[in-house]
Amino acid sequence: GEDVEQSLFLSVREGDSSVINCTYTDSSSTYLYWYKQEPGAGLQLLTYIFSNMDMKQDQRLTVLLNKKDKHLSLRIADTQTGDSAIYFCAEISGNTPLVFGKGTRLSVIA
Amino acid sequence: DVKVTQSSRYLVKRTGEKVFLECVQDMDHENMFWYRQDPGLGLRLIYFSYDVKMKEKGDIPEGYSVSREKKERFSLILESASTNQTSMYLCASSLSGQGADQPQHFGDGTRLSIL
Repeated sequence: GEDVEQSLFLSVREGDSSVINCTYTDSSSTYLYWYKQEPGAGLQLLTYIFSNMDMKQDQRLTVLLNKKDKHLSLRIADTQTGDSAIYFCAEISGNTPLVFGKGTRLSVIA
Repeated sequence: DVKVTQSSRYLVKRTGEKVFLECVQDMDHENMFWYRQDPGLGLRLIYFSYDVKMKEKGDIPEGYSVSREKKERFSLILESASTNQTSMYLCASSLSGQGADQPQHFGDGTRLSIL
């Protein structure tokens, strides 16, 4: 089946940029998503990108998509302690449910 | 804003009990999903539904069933609860029958413990 891979942990200092990476296998992916999960809560949609785009920016968030390498990244500028959470990458193609990565736990050190 | 409500945040049940987890969404979404989340394993899809009275097995349906009698409600049933079903359960919903360009919206989760 289709697969989405992420590194499990990332640690950054407050004020630095964070970059969370994701790779996927489905070449027919139409949309790719980033979700954020804070402790004890459900998943909150952060942003998404259509597969014919290579970049999307939304305030402190920048999503880069390299479709050739099937690589997606989420950059958080000026990372704050409130950004500490688990970040999930997910992809969808056609009439199928989202395929999620296992999540990257971001720890922000003050 | 879309609201997906799971009936319980925390639930403790005994082995062998029949357990019902309820999920309600208020945005007339066609698609609804049940996942379980375990450390190191991420989200795993249990069952999903693209319409009333319709259900599809996800990746790990064994030991579970679902019910979708009304569009807004999707229930997950543990027929005979076992300790390996102790987990965080997440419900989600999305618009459109195809699910292609509509993101999933999640509830806050139910942390279920089976003793």
